[in-house]
Amino acid sequence: KAGVTQTPRYLIKTRGQQVTLSCSPISGHRSVSWYQQTPGQGLQFLFEYFSETQRNKGNFPGRFSGRQFSNSRSEMNVSTLELGDSALYLCASSHAGEFGYTFGSGTRLTVV
Amino acid sequence: SQQGEEDPQALSIQEGENATMNCSYKTSINNLQWYRQNSGRGLVHLILIRSNEREKHSGRLRVTLDTSKKSSSLLITASRAADTASYFCATDPTGANNLFFGTGTRLTVIP
Repeated sequence: KAGVTQTPRYLIKTRGQQVTLSCSPISGHRSVSWYQQTPGQGLQFLFEYFSETQRNKGNFPGRFSGRQFSNSRSEMNVSTLELGDSALYLCASSHAGEFGYTFGSGTRLTVV
Repeated sequence: SQQGEEDPQALSIQEGENATMNCSYKTSINNLQWYRQNSGRGLVHLILIRSNEREKHSGRLRVTLDTSKKSSSLLITASRAADTASYFCATDPTGANNLFFGTGTRLTVIP
């Protein structure tokens, strides 16, 4: 059974650019969540999608957005990148959240 | 912020010893989960304990939950060098559909 797949693994972008990260959940999982991990702020919730609908959103500026497709794959987009957006972005999928989440290996984004 | 706190921030023990990590949180919860992270990679789900449970075991792991004190502990028995990692507790507040993570405990097991 394939796990959660995140692409790309590493990314270097310049301030002001935009970036799109991709997440393929475990087959059958309809909930996909995104988290940002930084040394200073730790793990912070970005948003959660279920059946193509955003059900919950964390406290991040509007530059952070996401979407989910009919096959449950999800993308998140960050526009007008800032140095502070450098982080490990983690995607997690679950069947219903009641049994825990399966995380991908993450995308390490560096903004220069 | 609903983020929890873990104690200690770092823990270093000898192989074979037990390791105990504590987590405190702020709001009511549906369940509490523990995750392990190796060297900035993805998180691995270890165990989930529901709000109406007080203790749960999984292999060498034992988790307790005290909802009156809003705290949980993770005990790893007979530790191994491969247990070296960061451990995070995460709360799932009722109806929130997302996880609030603690600050993590960095565990080092010395062979």
